[in-house]
Amino acid sequence: AQSVTQLDSQVPVFEEAPVELRCNYSSSVSVYLFWYVQYPNQGLQLLLKYLSGSTLVESINGFEAEFNKSQTSFHLRKPSVHISDTAEYFCAVSVAMNYGGSQGNLIFGKGTKLSVKP
Amino acid sequence: KAGVTQTPRYLIKTRGQQVTLSCSPISGHRSVSWYQQTPGQGLQFLFEYFSETQRNKGNFPGRFSGRQFSNSRSEMNVSTLELGDSALYLCASSLALSNEQFFGPGTRLTVL
Repeated sequence: AQSVTQLDSQVPVFEEAPVELRCNYSSSVSVYLFWYVQYPNQGLQLLLKYLSGSTLVESINGFEAEFNKSQTSFHLRKPSVHISDTAEYFCAVSVAMNYGGSQGNLIFGKGTKLSVKP
Repeated sequence: KAGVTQTPRYLIKTRGQQVTLSCSPISGHRSVSWYQQTPGQGLQFLFEYFSETQRNKGNFPGRFSGRQFSNSRSEMNVSTLELGDSALYLCASSLALSNEQFFGPGTRLTVL
């Protein structure tokens, strides 16, 4: 079975400060890794994903995450946050299939609420 | 391309009633997954449908059921509602062999 642990339930930071949201996973099989963001009263939006290849993946809005297989981690970072980054962030995994897709059930962490203060 | 749509967006029911939620996937997407989001349990997988067949099921009681139609639209049904069923129900769609799911805005169900 797979599991995801997000170590911080809430992270308050000041605007323009760097931030790291931590995520660790457990799985006996190959998985794909994802970060989703949820703004109030909205659904989930994919922020970035790791499937294979370079262990550092980046999003278009300045976030990056690094896959570390030995530490089974996929931490999310941003060097300088904005007020608009205030949201809840979810780390998730799905079981990788041979054909390159994944099983249709994402396993999510409990989420980290990022609060950016002016 | 239109995104995943879910109807209704908000719903209030009383204990013992049943409810049906609807999800229309992105055009061309044949896989639909459902998730329940609550403050206590977080995001939990309910089930996944592909080509009108349930391909995967989470650990929920039989009161929770779903189906998918030939046009890939999906419905989920909850019978004999309990207070603990109050949640945001999210639907996600994906291409047939994809690893990326696209989520709808959710249906917020309140059980009184």
